[in-house]
Amino acid sequence: GAGVSQTPSNKVTEKGKYVELRCDPISGHTALYWYRQSLGQGPEFLIYFQGTGAADDSGLPNDRFFAVRPEGSVSTLKIQRTERGDSAVYLCASSLGGGARTGELFFGEGSRLTVL
Amino acid sequence: QKEVEQNSGPLSVPEGAIASLNCTYSDRGSQSFFWYRQYSGKSPELIMFIYSNGDKEDGRFTAQLNKASQYVSLLIRDSQPSDSATYLCAANAGGTSYGKLTFGQGTILTVHP
Repeated sequence: GAGVSQTPSNKVTEKGKYVELRCDPISGHTALYWYRQSLGQGPEFLIYFQGTGAADDSGLPNDRFFAVRPEGSVSTLKIQRTERGDSAVYLCASSLGGGARTGELFFGEGSRLTVL
Repeated sequence: QKEVEQNSGPLSVPEGAIASLNCTYSDRGSQSFFWYRQYSGKSPELIMFIYSNGDKEDGRFTAQLNKASQYVSLLIRDSQPSDSATYLCAANAGGTSYGKLTFGQGTILTVHP
């Protein structure tokens, strides 16, 4: 596709439920990132994939959060036992590879998660 | 906790003026710095990056970096109403060579006609 695609764009769920958020990166981009943005704040790093493997998951807040990228393209962020504090916009970004000197991350439009 | 600090604003400038946005960072290991623009309800988009001390110019935008002072700035010349957005400063995490960025909270810029 032309850009990073994220689904759903909006998700409303109840506390304690399980949620999956999907990201389809730009074709050919090997690096994929998940960030989380709360209202009035900048994005916060969650996890980085290079190919199929999670190269850095140090930003995942706890073990309720998990992400996969089984074929090195589409990624799914999974949140178990959702809490109201998980409410935020979850941003996916992709780039051509490592090399933070360019660091040009192409962000999707985000998935807005609301936990009631 | 490695941080990037920005004045949240809002910063209001008249059309045609210079807008000056500032940022400080705490991670001395950071090597690369970025300015992203985010329109309301939209995703961030990269407008400038800099990794050497001094100035870097791209059209109406100039990024400035001073590693000794741990200070990054963005100047927007001839500001236009279409520049009204939130500007996010970001630094790469020290010791990493990928896009693990620490973002500031953003500065809201309003350019009024």
